[in-house]
Amino acid sequence: LAKTTQPISMDSYEGQEVNITCSHNNIATNDYITWYQQFPSQGPRFIIQGYKTKVTNEVASLFIPADRKSSTLSLPRVSLSDTAVYYCLVGELDGNNRLAFGKGNQVVVIP
Amino acid sequence: DGGITQSPKYLFRKEGQNVTLSCEQNLNHDAMYWYRQDPGQGLRLIYYSQIVNDFQKGDIAEGYSVSREKKESFPLTVTSAQKNPTAFYLCASRDPGGDGYTFGSGTRLTVV
Repeated sequence: LAKTTQPISMDSYEGQEVNITCSHNNIATNDYITWYQQFPSQGPRFIIQGYKTKVTNEVASLFIPADRKSSTLSLPRVSLSDTAVYYCLVGELDGNNRLAFGKGNQVVVIP
Repeated sequence: DGGITQSPKYLFRKEGQNVTLSCEQNLNHDAMYWYRQDPGQGLRLIYYSQIVNDFQKGDIAEGYSVSREKKESFPLTVTSAQKNPTAFYLCASRDPGGDGYTFGSGTRLTVV
């Protein structure tokens, strides 16, 4: 299983764009990168998934460089409700694969 | 709406007792998972099942047991052999090739 490394925590002011990084140096050819968001006492929620370059949906963008050894989740104009733990996972899309959740990145949005 | 239902939301157990946490999904997913989360920590995999009547140990299976008699259900039993069972337990399912995991809302187990 590809291991991921994320900063433990970060703060951001309300209304700013937040960029959350993840390192995955041993990512395999068939691995995808998936990001989840978790609020206290809730299960993680899928945010976005990608393989290379850039992916954008209604809540976030995911930037993946050509070597795919890192990725950046970008949250535009964060609000206080975006305060959460963000997890980066790397693995194959096959449902038989057991993905490993690390400790994630605690993002705190400040008024 | 499709989703995963975990029950109960809160559970209290006396030391030495076994308890069973329920997890039901109506997403028609083959794979189901149980994770444990301790305060300030990430998720650790307890057991997972790729198909009915089959399951595998995760990273911290000791003191836990599961069954998968139906596709929709994947109950987790926390046995008296689990020395530190107080934690937040999360059940998830996954559709191959889909948008990753779908999680339940969790069960918070406290040993009293």
